[in-house]
Amino acid sequence: NAGVTQTPKFRILKIGQSMTLQCAQDMNHNYMYWYRQDPGMGLKLIYYSVGAGITDKGEVPNGYNVSRSTTEDFPLRLELAAPSQTSVYFCASRPGGGAYEQYFGPGTRLTVT
Amino acid sequence: AQTVTQSQPEMSVQEAETVTLSCTYDTSESNYYLFWYKQPPSRQMILVIRQEAYKQQNATENRFSVNFQKAAKSFSLKISDSQLGDTAMYFCALNSGYALNFGKGTSLLVTP
Repeated sequence: NAGVTQTPKFRILKIGQSMTLQCAQDMNHNYMYWYRQDPGMGLKLIYYSVGAGITDKGEVPNGYNVSRSTTEDFPLRLELAAPSQTSVYFCASRPGGGAYEQYFGPGTRLTVT
Repeated sequence: AQTVTQSQPEMSVQEAETVTLSCTYDTSESNYYLFWYKQPPSRQMILVIRQEAYKQQNATENRFSVNFQKAAKSFSLKISDSQLGDTAMYFCALNSGYALNFGKGTSLLVTP
């Protein structure tokens, strides 16, 4: 199992550009998540999904969009990038039931200049 | 609202010594799960240990153990026989609905 994979690992965007961060998992997990981690801070939830076709906003969804057309993939779309979106982005997944621990991807470091 | 507080931004410990990282939380749930995650310089988030609130026994994983005080809403992590590879950020987390609520982290430096 590759676990949770994310691409790209690093990206520099200019203000106003758009991009999609890719996330895939091969563990057949129902739940998937996107977090951002700002310097000196913990992780904040952007969006999550409880299954294919179902997504919901987290704590900091503004400026982002997601979709979940398959169990495996959960891309995060940034429209009109702003410097405030400079951060490290983590994708995570977990199975259903009582197992709440999440499995994380390696992260994407995004810089918007 | 559920909150997780880590009051120690930075800590250091000598190799082979023991160190304890503090975490307090607030939740209105009667059953919940608490976690410690490790984030080394590689940036990867690694699960260290988990505790289910309805279990009174403190969880242990090799050199890592927790002191879970449910009434005090305290969940500290003890690392015994510290190793250089334990140098990392450590995050305390509480399950909040479908997701996890993280503290701001404690940066642990293990020195030779």
